[in-house]
Amino acid sequence: AQSVAQPEDQVNVAEGNPLTVKCTYSVSGNPYLFWYVQYPNRGLQFLLKYITGDNLVKGSYGFEAEFNKSQTSFHLKKPSALVSDSALYFCAVRESDRGSTLGRLYFGRGTQLTVWP
Amino acid sequence: DTEVTQTPKHLVMGMTNKKSLKCEQHMGHRAMYWYKQKAKKPPELMFVYSYEKLSINESVPSRFSPECPNSSLLNLHLHALQPEDSALYLCASSQGLAGAYEQYFGPGTRLTVT
Repeated sequence: AQSVAQPEDQVNVAEGNPLTVKCTYSVSGNPYLFWYVQYPNRGLQFLLKYITGDNLVKGSYGFEAEFNKSQTSFHLKKPSALVSDSALYFCAVRESDRGSTLGRLYFGRGTQLTVWP
Repeated sequence: DTEVTQTPKHLVMGMTNKKSLKCEQHMGHRAMYWYKQKAKKPPELMFVYSYEKLSINESVPSRFSPECPNSSLLNLHLHALQPEDSALYLCASSQGLAGAYEQYFGPGTRLTVT
């Protein structure tokens, strides 16, 4: 079975400080991992993905994520948070080589990030 | 252009009404998706089309009827909905089903069933 866990419902950070939004996953084979962000009353926006190769993935708006196979984690990070980063963040996974899951993304429950001035 | 458009933005309908949601993309993507999202929850997959054929139906009630008239358009026909169907309905598209293709989401239609 495939699943994603985002252990924190809420993350609060001061503007200018680094931020981390945590994600762990469970798949039988190799994962494709994604981060999406959702602003109020909007659709989800793709931030970045991990396919294979370099464990540090860089994405949009200064975000990056680190893939750790041994810890089955894919944490989202940003060196310096902005108030405008405040939003709902979703981690998602799909198993790379399981045909029965084609088209399905397994989402975590989401983490609300609040950056205060 | 990485845009998926959805109309209408808001829809209020009674339980006996028939209405349709529309989604369009011009990225040449061959897979399109409908999701339902409740407030502060992750999206729930409803339907997936691949090359204009229905590929996945996640046991969605028949009061929701998808249609893919061509490779750029996706509709969701609604009939005899229940108040618990009130939600944000998101359309998404991707290059294909296989591979590590990210999905691009539209802004959604906020549906209220009265």
